Amino acid sequence: GDSVTQMEGPVTLSEEAFLTINCTYTATGYPSLFWYVQYPGEGLQLLLKATKADDKGSNKGFEATYRKETTSFHLEKGSVQVSDSAVYFCALRKYGGSQGNLIFGKGTKLSVKP
Amino acid sequence: SAVISQKPSRDICQRGTSLTIQCQVDSQVTMMFWYRQQPGQSLTLIATANQGSEATYESGFVIDKFPISRPNLTFSTLTVSNMSPEDSSIYLCSVGKLAGVNYEQYFGPGTRLTVT
Repeated sequence: GDSVTQMEGPVTLSEEAFLTINCTYTATGYPSLFWYVQYPGEGLQLLLKATKADDKGSNKGFEATYRKETTSFHLEKGSVQVSDSAVYFCALRKYGGSQGNLIFGKGTKLSVKP
Repeated sequence: SAVISQKPSRDICQRGTSLTIQCQVDSQVTMMFWYRQQPGQSLTLIATANQGSEATYESGFVIDKFPISRPNLTFSTLTVSNMSPEDSSIYLCSVGKLAGVNYEQYFGPGTRLTVT
């Protein structure tokens, strides 16, 4: 079945370090891909998304490129801040799949130290 | 966007009892969903809450265990019935909204349930 695999955390970085959180997926067809972020005590928020191959989603300095050849959607940021500390979830929705049926990875906790 | 609130934010319950979780949205939405996040696991869709009709459950989830109400376009409840420790999870309400041609999904802050 369809699935999402993302790197296990926790990830601890110093402020201004480069961030990569790996995400790979297994799905038939052409899914849409998402990164959600959950700040402490808050609900999940959509961070960025890409709906077709080679699309790049970007928001708040974060980027991820939809790579169909490697079935990946790695999240990157050039210089992290303490305020980026959160749990990051990679997710997919199949093309034509029922709305709401997002398939999530297990989440990666990021801690950024000053 | 959509602002979603859930009550309670957390609870500790005894096995065999039931808990009803409320979800309130600040605007009318067509699509409302309930997810579960078990410890160390990813989020799993429990069901789609349909206004005016029975909820649509995903494989592995049944109405007797997780009855859902959706009396209007801004409110839904999820009940976790006859609880056991395996039901200890975070339960999240989610809504889908169309913004032009884009479909966006929003999540509530979750209800952290511990069953002893």
